[in-house]
Order: sequence, then C-alpha cells, then structure tokens
Amino acid sequence: AQRVTQPEKLLSVFKGAPVELKCNYSYSGSPELFWYVQYSRQRLQLLLRHISRESIKGFTADLNKGETSFHLKKPFAQEEDSAMYYCALSAAGAGRRALTFGSGTRLQVQP
Amino acid sequence: NAGVTQTPKFQVLKTGQSMTLQCAQDMNHNSMYWYRQDPGMGLRLIYYSASEGTTDKGEVPNGYNVSRLNKREFSLRLESAAPSQTSVYFCASSGINRVRNQPQHFGDGTRLSIL
Repeated sequence: AQRVTQPEKLLSVFKGAPVELKCNYSYSGSPELFWYVQYSRQRLQLLLRHISRESIKGFTADLNKGETSFHLKKPFAQEEDSAMYYCALSAAGAGRRALTFGSGTRLQVQP
Repeated sequence: NAGVTQTPKFQVLKTGQSMTLQCAQDMNHNSMYWYRQDPGMGLRLIYYSASEGTTDKGEVPNGYNVSRLNKREFSLRLESAAPSQTSVYFCASSGINRVRNQPQHFGDGTRLSIL
C-alpha cells in the first residue's frame, strides 16, 4: 500500500525566512510525486511535480529515493505563500493514476 | 474554460436521505475522480473512472456509487446518507499520457453535512 506522510499540520514562519515543508512516502514501486496547493478561496491546484525538476513561485522539491522524501523548499517566504500544501503520490507509468494525498500542512507567513 | 464544475456547492441532508453530487469537465479529459476531504486526513479517493464506461473503487468506496455518464460527467451518489459521510467532496479530472501521469484538475468542492 502507498502512503504519504506530512508530519507538520502547521508551519508558521516570518516573511523572508526559509521554508521547508516535509513529505515522506512509502511505496514499493516507482512513484511520481507532486505538490498541490490550495490558497484561500481557490481550488486545489498543482504546484510542481518531481519529474519536471522545475522551480514554481520560487519553490523546489527534490525526490530523495534513499530517504523516501519529497520535501518542498523555498529560500525566502512571501506572505502570498500562505496556503494549505498537500504532498501526493501516484504510481508511475500506465495503470492506476489516482493520487494518494498526505494530510496537508498549513503554511502561515507572517509579516 | 470552467475546468471542473461541481454542483451543488453546499448541501445539508438528514440521515437516510439520498442525493447525487454532479461533476462535469470541459477539458476533454479521459480520467475523472471523486475524493473526500476530512480534517487531518487530507484527500482520500472514493471512486475513479479511467475512461468513459469504466469505474473503479478507491480507498473509501463504502456507502457510495458512481456513474460515468459520458466523457464529460462523473456523478457520485449517496443512497442512504450517514453522519460519517459529512465531508467536503472534490471531483477531479486528468488527461492521459502513456509515459507519465498528467496533473489532476480539481473542482471547487461540495460541502456536505449529514444531520
């Protein structure tokens, strides 16, 4: 069975401080990992995926297969980053494509 | 484009009542999904439909049925609502790529309360 763990329910930082949202997973096969974000009064939307290896809104995430982690990082937090962040996993390749979500971490960036 | 549209946005039911949550997407996606979101538990998959005419159970299917009416629409039915089904329900859709998973696009959610 696949599982995604986000150990922090709430992460509060000051503007300009570094941010790291933790995500650990367990899956026996080859996973695809995603970060989804939900801003206040907006839909859940994709932030980034490990395959793309890109930086979105200053956020990056590296898949560490040895530690089974996919932590989300940003060097300098902005107030507009305040939102609910979900780490999600899907089996890579063909077949079942539904996502397994973590329980989410609420990021609060204080001025 | 509206993307994924869910109706209704809010609903209050009494225990034992039935209702259908509607979901439609205008992105020509093959796959559609129903999730429920409960406090402290993230989103959990109820049912999904990989393509028109097929449906499969997810992690928490008990008490629910689904219908993939056509490529655009995927409905979720509660035959006899129970208080444990009080939740926020999200519909999502995604396209197909044989090599990698395509991002899922979500609706606004339906907030359902069972009294």
